[in-house]
Amino acid sequence: DQQVKQNSPSLSVQEGRISILNCDYTNSMFDYFLWYKKYPAEGPTFLISISSIKDKNEDGRFTVFLNKSAKHLSLHIVPSQPGDSAVYFCAASGTNFGNEKLTFGTGTRLTIIP
Amino acid sequence: EPEVTQTPSHQVTQMGQEVILRCVPISNHLYFYWYRQILGQKVEFLVSFYNNEISEKSEIFDDQFSVERPDGSNFTLKIRSTKLEDSAMYFCASRDRAYSPLHFGNGTRLTVT
Repeated sequence: DQQVKQNSPSLSVQEGRISILNCDYTNSMFDYFLWYKKYPAEGPTFLISISSIKDKNEDGRFTVFLNKSAKHLSLHIVPSQPGDSAVYFCAASGTNFGNEKLTFGTGTRLTIIP
Repeated sequence: EPEVTQTPSHQVTQMGQEVILRCVPISNHLYFYWYRQILGQKVEFLVSFYNNEISEKSEIFDDQFSVERPDGSNFTLKIRSTKLEDSAMYFCASRDRAYSPLHFGNGTRLTVT
């Protein structure tokens, strides 16, 4: 039951260019979305989030866009840096009075080429 | 910056043995979670814990699994009789309030032989 999908298992981007990572979801009850970054042998690290009342949220080089009608979100990283090379997970949750679990996508491995 | 700590970083056990994975969540956090990631697969939810009780659990979290918060700081996951398919990275996470990000520990790699 893949409620959160990341269809690109890998992505390579030149340093300094824009990286765009995509995520689709199927559960219309999801209303809070997050992006995590993961290095090998470490836990996921929170990057940026967006609630369903917004369509864009920015934090430095990272911007998340949400298209509720298409059930699609994307993460833009600009400019991309070598330290951005990692696996990126999209995650989503629905309203459950604070206990809501996160459902993760399968991840996209981003490689920044110097 | 406060962080979630997990011990041990790697645990090797024989099939049928009991294991306890330990976590110290961030001190002012109220919601606690266990997730796991089998090699090459997605991060999967196991269980959430709030107000000293389980609030939600997945199908994976069967009778062989249990969680406990024995004191004000530790949060443990016990697997009573491990199976080969329990081999995975187990991540503990916590958050301080609703609609806030989960903060993850660096995980315990469990290897069942």
